[in-house]
Amino acid sequence: QVQLVQSGAEVKKPGASVKVSCKSSGYTFTNYDINWVRQVAGQGLEWMGWVNPNTGNTGYAQKFQGRVTMTRDNSISTAYMELGSLKSEDTAVYYCARPMWRGANQFDFWGQGTLVTVSS
Amino acid sequence: QSALTQPRSVSGSPGQSVTISCTGTSSDVGGYNYVSWYQQYPGKAPKVIIYDVTKRASGVTGRFSGSKSGNTASLTISGLQAEDEAGYYCSSYAGSYTLIFGGGTKLTVL
Repeated sequence: QVQLVQSGAEVKKPGASVKVSCKSSGYTFTNYDINWVRQVAGQGLEWMGWVNPNTGNTGYAQKFQGRVTMTRDNSISTAYMELGSLKSEDTAVYYCARPMWRGANQFDFWGQGTLVTVSS
Repeated sequence: QSALTQPRSVSGSPGQSVTISCTGTSSDVGGYNYVSWYQQYPGKAPKVIIYDVTKRASGVTGRFSGSKSGNTASLTISGLQAEDEAGYYCSSYAGSYTLIFGGGTKLTVL
């Protein structure tokens, strides 16, 4: 069965960086993009971007351009999202998600979420 | 790029129907038939219920339906049940391999 398992909660200081991992299993990792979506407590979902595990190509939401880097390690079927120059407003749950099929715009498998807390 | 506009909350009694709107622009909702809807319970990851505007995801009850007119997409839930009480989010393809979500709607079953 398809599973996306994310790394554990993180506490970071303002200005630092955080790197969240998302380990995939149950399917061919290189056949599907991995997207990242975050959710500030009590607020809506916010799409951050995607990484294509096959090519390494990425696409980021304009809001995060220059501050986010999405990578992958195909040898361990794991995608990563690194967010830099952290601010308190980046305190949120970060999810990785897999599309229904290659190139789809909807996600049918999600990680369990990783809480990132930014606090001095 | 601002989030798609959804009502913050809607409510209905068991058995009734409710509709949640999702308003965007011609660059997202109005420009593509790639609107999805997600249901989210507190502390859980979202679950896709509708995709490509009108298609129900596997295993989703027929009580959920989607539609679109111009720049506004809608999710209708008929025969409301207590278990439908959750957060609902729309999303749309926004061109250039980007997506945008709505701000979310909390559904209360009275």
